[in-house]
Amino acid sequence: DQQVKQNSPSLSVQEGRISILNCDYTNSMFDYFLWYKKYPAEGPTFLISISSIKDKNEDGRFTVFLNKSAKHLSLHIVPSQPGDSAVYFCAASAMDSSYKLIFGSGTRLLVRP
Amino acid sequence: EPEVTQTPSHQVTQMGQEVILRCVPISNHLYFYWYRQILGQKVEFLVSFYNNEISEKSEIFDDQFSVERPDGSNFTLKIRSTKLEDSAMYFCASSDYDTQYFGPGTRLTVL
Repeated sequence: DQQVKQNSPSLSVQEGRISILNCDYTNSMFDYFLWYKKYPAEGPTFLISISSIKDKNEDGRFTVFLNKSAKHLSLHIVPSQPGDSAVYFCAASAMDSSYKLIFGSGTRLLVRP
Repeated sequence: EPEVTQTPSHQVTQMGQEVILRCVPISNHLYFYWYRQILGQKVEFLVSFYNNEISEKSEIFDDQFSVERPDGSNFTLKIRSTKLEDSAMYFCASSDYDTQYFGPGTRLTVL
């Protein structure tokens, strides 16, 4: 059941450049999308979210874009820093399903100094 | 900043034994969740809990699993008779509405 997909298992970016992480979904009932950052042996840390009524949400260096027609969202990190190196998970939820989160498989981001 | 806490951080048990994983959600949150992540796999939803009852559960959450909010602060996940395939990281999460905040997890190892 691949309702949320992150097709790039890894991404390597130079410090100071933009990191773009992508996520696709198939369930049109999803109405809330989140990005989490995760280090090994730790819990997911909430980064940023977007409601389906918006197409962009920005918080500091992090911006999430939502394209509902394409069922696609992306996370932009500008400028990237070495401390951003982690696994990033995209997650989606629907109001009519107790807001349970459906996670993608994650993208490992490496920011090179 | 308020955070979700979980104990123990690591639990080792023998197959067939009962385990209880404990969580203290963020104090003003009303929605509580358990997820798990088997090594190398996705984070998977197990159960959601609201207003002192289960609001939704996944296929994984069979009769061997139960959840409880025994007092005003704790939220527990019990596995009655553990199996080898229950070995995973178990994450508790809580929310006041739509954004869930996760605890650090409990690594459960079933031998």
